[in-house]
Amino acid sequence: EAQVTQNPRYLITVTGKKLTVTCSQNMNHEYMSWYRQDPGLGLRQIYYSMNVEVTDKGDVPEGYKVSRKEKRNFPLILESPSPNQTSLYFCASSLIGRSQETQYFGPGTRLLVL
Amino acid sequence: AQSVTQLDSQVPVFEEAPVELRCNYSSSVSVYLFWYVQYPNQGLQLLLKYLSGSTLVKGINGFEAEFNKSQTSFHLRKPSVHISDTAEYFCAVSEGRTGANNLFFGTGTRLTVIP
Repeated sequence: EAQVTQNPRYLITVTGKKLTVTCSQNMNHEYMSWYRQDPGLGLRQIYYSMNVEVTDKGDVPEGYKVSRKEKRNFPLILESPSPNQTSLYFCASSLIGRSQETQYFGPGTRLLVL
Repeated sequence: AQSVTQLDSQVPVFEEAPVELRCNYSSSVSVYLFWYVQYPNQGLQLLLKYLSGSTLVKGINGFEAEFNKSQTSFHLRKPSVHISDTAEYFCAVSEGRTGANNLFFGTGTRLTVIP
């Protein structure tokens, strides 16, 4: 089954404790992206990647890091989480094209930073 | 960068009634337009998209949307809603450039279908 998986689905942590949210897709997609969803703000892009070893900032990259060492994986790293990073996070992937490609979303990771 | 406006944050509607969810975007030479749906506790899935051609686009679950270039709008409609349509709906835009897959999302409209 074609899918995007994220782990963990739910996470409670404390300020300053480094964490990683994993994202993996099995569709051989070149493009991958991380979003955060907050009430009243919709989805905002954190980082994206056009291919292996190619990453770039989205609209809200502060406090986050990413890496793309393999085509299928795109982990999101919070080196020192803060309470304002409490949010619902989605990973997405798609083929590369003239931006018409459908993005496929993971189930989401709900993060609470105390 | 594009901006997307969804004017209604919440839309309650009775079962079997019609519904329209509004979406406007900032003007650009060419854009692609999408509607995604998010059911409770799930990720987003594509409802429909407009790339080119006919301005009326049909999607899954009986939804359709009409692209209006002069009004920079892409409103979503369904003639008769079901309880199962209760969800949050997001309008999104991407710029028609090669390799530019980035999506710009609206703030979402929560549709609640009342029995």
